Amino acid sequence: ETGVTQTPRHLVMGMTNKKSLKCEQHLGHNAMYWYKQSAKKPLELMFVYNFKEQTENNSVPSRFSPECPNSSHLFLHLHTLQPEDSALYLCASSQKPPQQGTRNTEAFFGQGTRLTVV
Amino acid sequence: SQKIEQNSEALNIQEGKTATLTCNYTNYSPAYLQWYRQDPGRGPVFLLLIRENEKEKRKERLKVTFDTTLKQSLFHITASQPADSATYLCALDTGRRALTFGSGTRLQVQP
Repeated sequence: ETGVTQTPRHLVMGMTNKKSLKCEQHLGHNAMYWYKQSAKKPLELMFVYNFKEQTENNSVPSRFSPECPNSSHLFLHLHTLQPEDSALYLCASSQKPPQQGTRNTEAFFGQGTRLTVV
Repeated sequence: SQKIEQNSEALNIQEGKTATLTCNYTNYSPAYLQWYRQDPGRGPVFLLLIRENEKEKRKERLKVTFDTTLKQSLFHITASQPADSATYLCALDTGRRALTFGSGTRLQVQP
């Protein structure tokens, strides 16, 4: 148990569906992240939230919509996805010092949501 | 372009031997480098962090080296066990908002 919980663990959805992935961290961290992991590819950073503010959107299509209501919870809303969006979606958290330009500390990952788009 | 390279082929070794995994990078100047372990269908788990002014870091049976001239990190597992079988990821702190990961190397330790 890493202190980061993701639900659901598995999700199958049609291309016209709307669904949401949920992430909750119990570590008191101030930064949360969404990564996408496809087979044989590196983890691909999607979104970063620092102190609940989105600080990075890594050119992600608008069919993925993040939401961070507080520093412990992160959502990824999905709509009109494509089959190539099928992947393991990982949430992570870390404690970032408030100073600009400071280095990243270790990241704590959830177990991921295995998404299949049919 | 910036690139992080880890050997995409699986590394197969015999139990008890030392496993050595390589992480090479180009066009980055990371101050920190981290190693993670990932089991199938699960999220990565942090193992070790090494700073640019550190040549070597150890933790139990794990050892990491960091050569900023060669732009390379080596990750060693001594006295390897079948339970060490997993995919190992290196991650660079490149000054962006989050870590940048390599694609990982799968290690298989045969009993």
